[in-house]
Amino acid sequence: RKEVEQDPGPFNVPEGATVAFNCTYSNSASQSFFWYRQDCRKEPKLLMSVYSSGNEDGRFTAQLNRASQYISLLIRDSKLSDSATYLCVVINPGFKTIFGAGTRLFVKA
Amino acid sequence: EPEVTQTPSHQVTQMGQEVILRCVPISNHLYFYWYRQILGQKVEFLVSFYNNEISEKSEIFDDQFSVERPDGSNFTLKIRSTKLEDSAMYFCASRDDQQGHLDTQYFGPGTRLTVL
Repeated sequence: RKEVEQDPGPFNVPEGATVAFNCTYSNSASQSFFWYRQDCRKEPKLLMSVYSSGNEDGRFTAQLNRASQYISLLIRDSKLSDSATYLCVVINPGFKTIFGAGTRLFVKA
Repeated sequence: EPEVTQTPSHQVTQMGQEVILRCVPISNHLYFYWYRQILGQKVEFLVSFYNNEISEKSEIFDDQFSVERPDGSNFTLKIRSTKLEDSAMYFCASRDDQQGHLDTQYFGPGTRLTVL
């Protein structure tokens, strides 16, 4: 089983749509969780941290389910500028950082 | 806003040559990282560095690789004898230590290494 697993997509959605991404992780001792976005040939940029209580930042909502070892990201009212690859990132004990392979999103006009 | 910088943006080298990739982390950060991303593949952790020593490294980070913080600002990755499969984008990242494992890592723009 991969350490961090994501649906690669691509997800093709129209502007205004709601889209959800999922991520699973294999290490039950994983300590912290993040969603990053990566534009083509650019560096990963933090989108949001993921907390057990769930957290929201504008159109973005992240959820963590430790029992199921599952993380989600919900994007509401998609914009053209949301087109990117979304990376699930897990920090394991010893601060070892594991990236998922990413989910590609294309938002169409 | 402070940012991580990396030089050069693109490095072309011949197989077997040594390369040094340079990074300037955010000034008050204490943890430094190197990652690589082969074209079309995922970002892979190479090494983390804290208090002037390696704190964690991956299986990729073999004897061909080394890291150094030669002065108070630079953080370097050296590849001793490059191979074709070292061609990738190399990202440097840094974070502070305000919240431990909850701290965000900030990434530099990357150096694209091409080995011919």
